[in-house]
Amino acid sequence: DAGVIQSPRHEVTEMGQEVTLRCKPISGHDYLFWYRQTMMRGLELLIYFNNNVPIDDSGMPEDRFSAKMPNASFSTLKIQPSEPRDSAVYFCASSLTGATNTEAFFGQGTRLTVV
Amino acid sequence: AQSVAQPEDQVNVAEGNPLTVKCTYSVSGNPYLFWYVQYPNRGLQFLLKYITGDNLVKGSYGFEAEFNKSQTSFHLKKPSALVSDSALYFCAVRDSNSGYSTLTFGKGTMLLVSP
Repeated sequence: DAGVIQSPRHEVTEMGQEVTLRCKPISGHDYLFWYRQTMMRGLELLIYFNNNVPIDDSGMPEDRFSAKMPNASFSTLKIQPSEPRDSAVYFCASSLTGATNTEAFFGQGTRLTVV
Repeated sequence: AQSVAQPEDQVNVAEGNPLTVKCTYSVSGNPYLFWYVQYPNRGLQFLLKYITGDNLVKGSYGFEAEFNKSQTSFHLKKPSALVSDSALYFCAVRDSNSGYSTLTFGKGTMLLVSP
């Protein structure tokens, strides 16, 4: 398996534009997580899905952020409209069903810069 | 609530010397503990985990970690550091008594190994 795949790797956009980040989890994994990493706040969990259903989105910072998982092999994180303070590295991760002792596997991340 | 503390922002060690990266945790039940490493411009990579059993767990790249329940610690160690070990290290915890709970990460510790 190629692991968790994220695209694009880098995104530069102007303030006010819509940004869509994409993630393909590891095949067979039924948990999917979106994290954001910044120098100031470290690694923050934004939202996670189980079997394509959003379970906890309490980490989503504002209504400008939305995430979907239309099927088991694809998820998107959308920011509309984007703001400079959204600049960060966004990671997607996946893990196997429910067993709490299993680790999560991370993608390479998308570095977002909003100018 | 579960939490993780990594008291050191940065650890400096000379190549060939032993290294320790500290981690303490707080959970209401029994902990599942994880260490991840992040190299520049890469995602987080799983290193090792403690679930149950032997308090000393061995992982990738010669790293090991010792679980100490009385001190609620899970310090990462390596007998002989390499320059290539220089990276950002994250400790994470999951509470085994909370059904499925997400991983809570520490803020990370930058390890710098000098030649």
